[in-house]
Amino acid sequence: DQQVKQNSPSLSVQEGRISILNCDYTNSMFDYFLWYKKYPAEGPTFLISISSIKDKNEDGRFTVFLNKSAKHLSLHIVPSQPGDSAVYFCAASAIGNQFYFGTGTSLTVIP
Amino acid sequence: DVKVTQSSRYLVKRTGEKVFLECVQDMDHENMFWYRQDPGLGLRLIYFSYDVKMKEKGDIPEGYSVSREKKERFSLILESASTNQTSMYLCASMRGYGYTFGSGTRLTVV
Repeated sequence: DQQVKQNSPSLSVQEGRISILNCDYTNSMFDYFLWYKKYPAEGPTFLISISSIKDKNEDGRFTVFLNKSAKHLSLHIVPSQPGDSAVYFCAASAIGNQFYFGTGTSLTVIP
Repeated sequence: DVKVTQSSRYLVKRTGEKVFLECVQDMDHENMFWYRQDPGLGLRLIYFSYDVKMKEKGDIPEGYSVSREKKERFSLILESASTNQTSMYLCASMRGYGYTFGSGTRLTVV
């Protein structure tokens, strides 16, 4: 049973526009959330995180929003750049436990 | 700079072969993980280890085993490789929050 879901397998966005990637989870015990970015033939690299005590975390062009009541988080990339084209995974964890990953969203930023 | 190193980037093996995938981390992390990544399925946990000689099954352990004889090294073993084990294999280590991943091993079983 998939505890973390990314319902959009792919997303295309024009360069300079906002990219919004969504993630839903089912386990109310999850209290820490990560986004990873993955290029082909490489391992995922950490992008941004958020803990359940916050509803927003920002790092440069990347902002993650957390809606605990809806068990939903989203990653906003503004402005989107061609180098952002990659697969993005969200992951969730309850303290001290393993991370559960979503199935990924492939983002294509069109120049 | 912290590192998780997977010994091979690409491997081609024959059906029935025993396959070893090696992972080494230099961060003195207790927890290490093996995932496989397949299109449309995301990252699925095969096995993890929270200490030397300790191992726990993940979501899809069938057909795999692991070995953790030293803290820095976590090996994934395919006892008898099959074509449905063709995949990208990712090793990660963790202390506290957050994983550091290796570059991955693309395994093809023919």
